[in-house]
Amino acid sequence: DVVMTQSPLSLPVTLGQPASISCTSSQSLLYSDGNTYLTWFQQRPGQSPRRLIYKVSNRDSGVPDRFSGSGSGTDFTLKISRVEAEDVGVYYCMQGIYWPRTFGQGTKLEIK
Amino acid sequence: QVQLVESGGGVVQPGGSLRLSCTASGFTFVTYAMHWVRQAPGKELEWVAAIRQDENKKDYLDSVRGRFAISRDNSKNTLYLQMDSLRAEDTALYYCARGAAQGRTMAEGFDYWGQGTLVTVSS
Repeated sequence: DVVMTQSPLSLPVTLGQPASISCTSSQSLLYSDGNTYLTWFQQRPGQSPRRLIYKVSNRDSGVPDRFSGSGSGTDFTLKISRVEAEDVGVYYCMQGIYWPRTFGQGTKLEIK
Repeated sequence: QVQLVESGGGVVQPGGSLRLSCTASGFTFVTYAMHWVRQAPGKELEWVAAIRQDENKKDYLDSVRGRFAISRDNSKNTLYLQMDSLRAEDTALYYCARGAAQGRTMAEGFDYWGQGTLVTVSS
């Protein structure tokens, strides 16, 4: 199975400061159609996962533009330009081209 | 608006069975692939199974293959997960998630999730 490795696993951040989460896959996520299928999810406490970003850098509708995704091949990053209180939760990356689909371990973002 | 509502969870003894349902609304169900994803208490997300729009292809996590069966009834806009020979390690909150639209690669999707239904396997 493709292993998705996130770091850090815990991310204390001061309100208004930036945050960055890394995700590394054990195999390239570049698909035969030329797209790279790396997705980021946010899971707020007590809620279902919410897709934030798909195909590395495409924000879903309603996702604030302080969230951005980047990367290629096997190395990816989710950045929050200025953390707000509503950003508290666990963030997961997921690869979309190999079976089984696999998620990272999750990064827990909390306010310092 | 898109809604996915899971049901059917509960407490079951090891070796027992449960059938989960996921009722979809707000979109043309028959034109989308669907997934089941689970989350054990305090743990990360784990993909379980997927089914294409026309049921002709299904994929499973190795640890559930042969015990779980994913299916759908497009006339009822409903996704199912039949779970047999349940084990303690199957204890989790089970989510359904919308997959790729017809004509799109299965690499897409996971844009909408239900609220989950809890399965507890315990004697």
